[in-house]
Amino acid sequence: SYVLTQPPSVSVAPGQTARITCGGNNIGSKSVHWYQQKPGQAPVLVVYYDTDRPSGIPERFSGSNSGNTATLTISRVEAGDEADFYCQVWDGGSDHPWVFGGGTKLTVL
Amino acid sequence: QVTLKESGPVLVKPTETLTLTCTVSNFSRSNGGMHMSWIRQPPGKALEWLAHIFSNDDKSYSTSLKGRLTISRDTSKSQVVLTMTNMDPVDTATYYCARISIRGLFFDLWGRGTLVTVSS
Repeated sequence: SYVLTQPPSVSVAPGQTARITCGGNNIGSKSVHWYQQKPGQAPVLVVYYDTDRPSGIPERFSGSNSGNTATLTISRVEAGDEADFYCQVWDGGSDHPWVFGGGTKLTVL
Repeated sequence: QVTLKESGPVLVKPTETLTLTCTVSNFSRSNGGMHMSWIRQPPGKALEWLAHIFSNDDKSYSTSLKGRLTISRDTSKSQVVLTMTNMDPVDTATYYCARISIRGLFFDLWGRGTLVTVSS
């Protein structure tokens, strides 16, 4: 089945830019979706179809996807952005079609 | 707005069967049936997809748990039910129901989750 690889942790100072990667074989040919999960809360969709944002998600959250890596970029990071982030794809050719990455803990220093 | 709420036992014994219910509130049937999924998260670990049921009743299950899972829908009650047989302590997790977006294959709405502990 398809595998998504994320770094376990990313640290960034407030006001700086955080980049969280999601690696997968030719992931650029798939649509990547990103979720933010704050401690004790359910995940929340922050980016879908690689680059789109749901209503209510700040423009500071953006995404890109090419080759073997998709990236979630958070600009002007705030303390309130600290959370776990998960990427997800649909692997339609598989009998296990919904795939999540292992998650990345974003720490705001 | 539409909300999802999971319910079920907080504690089950090994070998028992777990039944979880996801109740959908404020859903307008004029929008057609919803596509729904169950996802779980062991404490301190990553999200793991378990099962989905589409509005046409198409179902799919995690390959690692296939044979133990059954997903069903009770449209009259706006509920989606997941059963998992032969529970084991490694199945201890927060179980979420989530709505699959009509715009694509991602989850645009999640319930708050319910923590299920498997212990004798």
